[in-house]
Amino acid sequence: QITLKESGPTLVKPTQTLTLTCTFSGFSLTTTGVGVAWIRQPPGKALEWLALIYWDDTKRYSPSLKTRLTITKDTSKSQVVLTMTNMDPVDRATYYCARQGYGDYHFDYWGQGTLVTVSS
Amino acid sequence: DIQMTQSPSALSASLGDSVTITCRASQSISTWLAWYQQKPGKAPKLLIYKASSLQSGVPSRFSGSGSGTEFTLTISSLQPDDFATYYCQQYNSYPTWTFGQGTKVEIK
Repeated sequence: QITLKESGPTLVKPTQTLTLTCTFSGFSLTTTGVGVAWIRQPPGKALEWLALIYWDDTKRYSPSLKTRLTITKDTSKSQVVLTMTNMDPVDRATYYCARQGYGDYHFDYWGQGTLVTVSS
Repeated sequence: DIQMTQSPSALSASLGDSVTITCRASQSISTWLAWYQQKPGKAPKLLIYKASSLQSGVPSRFSGSGSGTEFTLTISSLQPDDFATYYCQQYNSYPTWTFGQGTKVEIK
């Protein structure tokens, strides 16, 4: 059974750095072709892809947010970490992590999401 | 960047109706398109991938078609569990993934 779960702060202050952790089970990020992505959704709005990391440590970032994002993995802990710098109130959103399977480009398993609010 | 445009943004339908949602890409994406269903407060759920492949466990009343720039998601006989928001997602534009703006399916 594949599961993913996001964790991190629910509230951050403007200009602070957000660190979110995705802890997963049921698959390995050492398996060829597998990736884990971060996707966010502001309240009442559409989904926005942020970043993705592959089994071989290849990383992809949204061009519009690239300068603020870092994605890393810890395969021994089955975790993927996303950091986003210089948080702003417009970054208030539910942040999801999701798996991309071997040879695929869609996201077949998702975490439940975590709502992050940016406020002083 | 490739833009994905869904239409309509919302629709009202009755139980048993057949509904079709369209997703248009600003340039050709071959068949690199997926459809997701999202209910309030829940994560998206994968329905269709590679434009027309049904994800395991998804009811057969869901179907997808299209290639190039125009794609459709059809629900053949709307059930109570189908009232939700639907998103398309493309991958043909390295190195990014893009979602449509969503289509909300409501009860008439």
